[in-house]
Amino acid sequence: GENVEQHPSTLSVQEGDSAVIKCTYSDSASNYFPWYKQELGKRPQLIIDIRSNVGEKKDQRIAVTLNKTAKHFSLHITETQPEDSAVYFCAATIGGSASKIIFGSGTRLSIRP
Amino acid sequence: DTAVSQTPKYLVTQMGNDKSIKCEQNLGHDTMYWYKQDSKKFLKIMFSYNNKELIINETVPNRFSPKSPDKAHLNLHINSLELGDSAVYFCASSQPGSDTEAFFGQGTRLTVV
Repeated sequence: GENVEQHPSTLSVQEGDSAVIKCTYSDSASNYFPWYKQELGKRPQLIIDIRSNVGEKKDQRIAVTLNKTAKHFSLHITETQPEDSAVYFCAATIGGSASKIIFGSGTRLSIRP
Repeated sequence: DTAVSQTPKYLVTQMGNDKSIKCEQNLGHDTMYWYKQDSKKFLKIMFSYNNKELIINETVPNRFSPKSPDKAHLNLHINSLELGDSAVYFCASSQPGSDTEAFFGQGTRLTVV
């Protein structure tokens, strides 16, 4: 069945350093890979996404890479700031009329001042 | 102008009771979901409805019964509540297809005592 694995489960980095979160997916039919950020007590919100026909996408300090052959995708946050502290979820979707969004297990990112 | 709204935000109830959580979206999306987020922050899909029809039921106990009176609403009714049902329940919606963002409601924190 479909599965998304995410590592690490917790990550602590010094403010200003970079953070990398990695995910793998099992279903080769997956073709859309969003990343969500969930702040404490809040709902998950989309921060960046990538489609299967693209290898890399960047939005300011955030970038996502996708390796379809290896079924890997990663989130990179550069120049981390205190407000980046949150739980981050990767996800993979299978399209068509039965859209299904499967989430990774989450990474709790803490930024040390 | 809330996109996905769910009520109540907090729900405290005793074991054995029956309760409902309501969800409404004004985005015109055809697909709606229920996710359960436990204390470890895992986001597990429970149900997916497309245009009022059940598409996905992820081995959820039959004490959980979703109801979709129209495509803008997906309510979750839970019978005979158990301690293990305590979690945050998120409603979400998206448009069918392979590359669309899921929008989440603010979550309902259910505590069974």
